[in-house]
Order: sequence, then structure tokens, then C-alpha cells
Amino acid sequence: DSGVTQTPKHLITATGQRVTLRCSPRSGDLSVYWYQQSLDQGLQFLIQYYNGEERAKGNILERFSAQQFPDLHSELNLSSLELGDSALYFCASSPPQGGWETQYFGPGTRLLVL
Amino acid sequence: DQQVKQNSPSLSVQEGRISILNCDYTNSMFDYFLWYKKYPAEGPTFLISISSIKDKNEDGRFTVFLNKSAKHLSLHIVPSQPGDSAVYFCAASAWGYGGSQGNLIFGKGTKLSVKP
Repeated sequence: DSGVTQTPKHLITATGQRVTLRCSPRSGDLSVYWYQQSLDQGLQFLIQYYNGEERAKGNILERFSAQQFPDLHSELNLSSLELGDSALYFCASSPPQGGWETQYFGPGTRLLVL
Repeated sequence: DQQVKQNSPSLSVQEGRISILNCDYTNSMFDYFLWYKKYPAEGPTFLISISSIKDKNEDGRFTVFLNKSAKHLSLHIVPSQPGDSAVYFCAASAWGYGGSQGNLIFGKGTKLSVKP
């Protein structure tokens, strides 16, 4: 158990809909990262937050957004869903210093868009 | 263009033998490298890492070697055990790269099967 929690574990929805994925980082970690793993693809970095502020953006679509709240949990919002958004979405967290390089991953949310 | 490449999608090894998983990278700015192990239906689990100032790092049965001139790293597992069967991801990062704060660039993974 990495200490990172993600809910829900599975999500099935229809095209055009909007969903919210939730992540709680390890205790003490200030950074939260979101990754997408599509079929046959490696993990693709989407976005990073540090102590409530956006720090870096990767291959995140404009239909996707995220935020990190004062209690440090984070939410990833996916809207106008398309079939191609079906994927595993992972959240990771890392310590504020002395180990920022190592990220600890949650179990993921499996999203299926029908 | 893939910056981190794992050219072998799968590897099969006999229990007790050495498993060698390879990874190549193209960006010379990368200064930290990690290996993650992933079982089905679970998130990636951190295994071992290496900084670019080193060429070797050991942790029990796992050793990572880094060859900066060749932009190549490898993970050695000795001896291999059936419980090591999983997908192994190589990842790289660089502080400040592209404005980032350490986000990881992953390879596509190598599926290791250790046969009893």
C-alpha cells in the first residue's frame, strides 16, 4: 500500500458526460501528479500540483482540468468525454523535499467511456 | 517522439536466473532515473532509482546500471523469482525540464515472466 488513495476504482460513463476523479496523497506529501495510461501506451503525465498551485502541465487536453484543495487532496475533472478517453488514470504524490524525485502511485481509476 | 524507450515488450526468464531489463533515453537533460514495477489492477510501485552522478545502485536483488555516454540504463534482478513477474517501467526526470518540477517520463514497459 503506497498510502495514496484514489476513488472511484472503476467508472463507466457515456460519451459527452463529465466525471470527477479523486486522489488523496500520502500524509506529508505536497505534490500531486496525474497520469493517464491508455491501451498499449506508457504512463503519460497530465498535470502536477504543489501545495494547491499548478506546477507543470503535460499532455493534458483542454477538456480536462484539475485542482488541489487546501487539505491537499486533488480532483481531476474530465468533460465532454470521448471513447478515446477510456484509460487508467493514476495519481501519484511525492515528498516536499529530500525525495521529491520518487513518486508514489495510487491504485488508479479505470474509466470506460461507452 | 519517445524520450524513454523500452524496446523489449516482454522477457521470459527461468526462476533463479538473472533478469536484465533495458531502457534507453534520448534527452541528455534527464538526471534521475527510476524503475517501477506494476502488477495487474494495481498502481506502479517504486522499485529502485539512480541519480546521474552514479553509475550503479543496488538494493537487495535489484541493481540498476546507468551508462550516461550511451544514454542507457538497465535493471538486473538476481536471482529472479516467480513473484517478480510483472510489467517493469523505466522512468526519467529532470528538475526544471520544460518548466516541470520532476514529472516523470515513462517508457512503455517490459512484461517480465519468471517461470518456475
